[in-house]
Amino acid sequence: AQTVTQSQPEMSVQEAETVTLSCTYDTSENNYYLFWYKQPPSRQMILVIRQEAYKQQNATENRFSVNFQKAAKSFSLKISDSQLGDTAMYFCAFMKHLPSNTGKLIFGQGTTLQVKP
Amino acid sequence: DGGITQSPKYLFRKEGQNVTLSCEQNLNHDAMYWYRQDPGQGLRLIYYSQIVNDFQKGDIAEGYSVSREKKESFPLTVTSAQKNPTAFYLCASRGQATDTQYFGPGTRLTVL
Repeated sequence: AQTVTQSQPEMSVQEAETVTLSCTYDTSENNYYLFWYKQPPSRQMILVIRQEAYKQQNATENRFSVNFQKAAKSFSLKISDSQLGDTAMYFCAFMKHLPSNTGKLIFGQGTTLQVKP
Repeated sequence: DGGITQSPKYLFRKEGQNVTLSCEQNLNHDAMYWYRQDPGQGLRLIYYSQIVNDFQKGDIAEGYSVSREKKESFPLTVTSAQKNPTAFYLCASRGQATDTQYFGPGTRLTVL
């Protein structure tokens, strides 16, 4: 069975600085997807970034980038130039490769990030 | 606007009552999912449906039931058999052959 672990329950960062959130996962699959979702105080789950395991290049979306280390089963999220609006809970999630699976997401426990002015 | 809607936003239930949470999407997505979130925890899968008139149990299906009579709708019923139903419930959908799930705004259920 797949598991996702986020070892940092809470983190804080000063506005405009850079912060990295950690995520490790366990799987015997070779092809899969990894995601970071953001859940602000409104509790709406918002996709931040996604990575396909067969792609070696790390995904980037504006100020958000990942460090994907397949052999180490590590998938960290880097937020550059942190903004107050980045304050949220961040979830790392794993999904087996389609189309042979159900699309089920397996989530980590989440990391609460506070951006301080 | 395309998206996923959930209603109501807040729901209060007395012990022993069944309640139904609504989830509607106009994204033309085939797959739909229900997750439960407890304080300080990640999401856990309750039920999912990959096609109309078909659904499967997730990891914590006991005490819940669903139906999928229309592509757009995937309601979740929390029955009196659910021992601890107070939680935040999130519905999601995914297009065929795509990997990304999109979430609704959620329903907060409180048992009084």
